[in-house]
Amino acid sequence: DAGVIQSPRHEVTEMGQEVTLRCKPISGHNSLFWYRQTMMRGLELLIYFNNNVPIDDSGMPEDRFSAKMPNASFSTLKIQPSEPRDSAVYFCASSLGLHEPRNEQFFGPGTRLTVL
Amino acid sequence: GQSLEQPSEVTAVEGAIVQINCTYQTSGFYGLSWYQQHDGGAPTFLSYNALDGLEETGRFSSFLSRSDSYGYLLLQELQMKDSASYFCAANSGYSTLTFGKGTMLLVSP
Repeated sequence: DAGVIQSPRHEVTEMGQEVTLRCKPISGHNSLFWYRQTMMRGLELLIYFNNNVPIDDSGMPEDRFSAKMPNASFSTLKIQPSEPRDSAVYFCASSLGLHEPRNEQFFGPGTRLTVL
Repeated sequence: GQSLEQPSEVTAVEGAIVQINCTYQTSGFYGLSWYQQHDGGAPTFLSYNALDGLEETGRFSSFLSRSDSYGYLLLQELQMKDSASYFCAANSGYSTLTFGKGTMLLVSP
């Protein structure tokens, strides 16, 4: 298996632009997570899907952020409009969810976002 | 909500043993996980404790005490490649993880 795939790996954009991050989870995993990592705030959970349904989006910072999971093999995280404080590394992770007693999450390589 | 505390940095020499502590405060707790992250890389799973006691996986061991809301990761026979950040994470009942801020381990020759 190729593992969790994220694209793009790096994104540089200007303030006010729309940014879309993409994720393909590991086949057969039914839970998907979006995280944001910064030096100041650490690794924060933004949103969690189970069987393509958003379960917990309490970590989404504000209305500028939205996430979708139209099918079991694809998810997007969109920021519109982007701001410099959104600069961070965004990770997507997947797991077997409730079927995994260790709740082991497999992380993608991340997207490093820089908003100028 | 959940919060986890761990030291920000630990240093050690090759071949030594190091222990990274983690204390947590939670409103719902199912277990404690540990993840390793090398600089520029993604977090990778190391271990999980659902019950009190010690879990051993090769050179790494993890311990949990639910009564003390405390756990630790023990790394033995340290190698240079162990230089990385280590995160403890609390598992909630909804399969989500709340991560600590991470401990940067620097292993020197």
